[in-house]
Order: sequence, then C-alpha cells, then structure tokens
Amino acid sequence: DTAVSQTPKYLVTQMGNDKSIKCEQNLGHDTMYWYKQDSKKFLKIMFSYNNKELIINETVPNRFSPKSPDKAHLNLHINSLELGDSAVYFCASSQSGTSYEQYFGPGTRLTVT
Amino acid sequence: AQSVTQLGSHVSVSEGALVLLRCNYSSSVPPYLFWYVQYPNQGLQLLLKYTTGATLVKGINGFEAEFKKSETSFHLTKPSAHMSDAAEYFCAVSPPGAGSYQLTFGKGTKLSVIP
Repeated sequence: DTAVSQTPKYLVTQMGNDKSIKCEQNLGHDTMYWYKQDSKKFLKIMFSYNNKELIINETVPNRFSPKSPDKAHLNLHINSLELGDSAVYFCASSQSGTSYEQYFGPGTRLTVT
Repeated sequence: AQSVTQLGSHVSVSEGALVLLRCNYSSSVPPYLFWYVQYPNQGLQLLLKYTTGATLVKGINGFEAEFKKSETSFHLTKPSAHMSDAAEYFCAVSPPGAGSYQLTFGKGTKLSVIP
C-alpha cells in the first residue's frame, strides 16, 4: 500500500503548456504539502493545506495553483509552463497535533522543453 | 526565522567506517529536528526525529542522532557504513508546538560509500 502517491512520475512538456500533478495520501492525515526540488537537490516548500484550507503559500508564481478537493488529495496545476519550472515536485502529508513528521511521495520529474 | 546548515555537500566513507553527517540549526527556540534520506530517483524517507525528551535518538537502518542544544547541532551518525547507505541525506527543522507546519530543509549531504 502506497502511503503517498503521485501521478505522473515523469512529465515532459513544452513551454507555454498547462499541466497538472495529482497527489493522494491514504494515511488519514489532515495536512498536505507541495515541495519543489531543484537541480541542486534543494527542497523548498511551495504550499501547505490543512483540512482543505491553504495555510502556507510561499513566494510562488501565481501560475501555480494548488487544489484540495478533500483531505486526501492535493493537486498542483501549473499554467504557462516555463523552462525554470523544470524540477522534481514532491507531495507530502502529515498529521497536525503530532510531531509533524512529513511523509513524502515518490516525486514527479517535470521537464519543460 | 529558522535555518539549517549541513556541513559538507559530499561525504565519502569506506564501507565499515563511521558515518558522521553534520547539521546545525538556527532558531530562537529549540525546534523539532528531523533527518531524511533520499535514494536515487525516490522520495524522502524519515530516518529519525527529535521533538522532546531523550536527546539521543535512534532511527532506522542503524542511524542515530544527538540533539545538543548548547551547540545547536543534530549530527547524524552510524557506526559502520554499508554500501546501501549511499544516498542524499537532509536535515530539517520545524518550529515546535501547535500549528507548526513549516519544515525547513538543509541543502543536503550526498553520502558515498567506497567498497
């Protein structure tokens, strides 16, 4: 059983396109996150949702829009893709009221050409 | 604001040798501390964590870390390296207490194990 799953695992697309990445967790957690890992492996949080409410929204271009239809899902939609968006995107989840350890998905490698 | 510094972007050890990966943090209050491991083309896996209590924390795969408040450090150690330990290791911090959703990562240390 995969705790945090992401689809697709690889995404290759052209500049200017719109794409979505989906994330699902079956851990019963109430908080979900999106991280971006750049080519130097640096991880930076982009968004966080708690009980479907946006609680962290770092300085991210408004071309990126997260959507949480329910507590188990957090999708990331990206409009007008740019070369600099190429990265690995990780979804994670955690349970508030605990030690906040986060469980990560396998990542989606986005390549913009 | 919190920050994490991992000394050494790349560490090489011989198989069977001690592994020591360094992590220092900057925070106004003692944070929650985590070590994650990332194997090639995979997501991050939690190795161990410190929240409160005993300052020496044991994790999976034989790793342990010690929280030293006076040194603001949380170094990761393993007595004997295995080839399977080769991976990227990330130290992370989170503010303690309710509503602490923010996890700040260090830049990572790549561990190579030489046979």
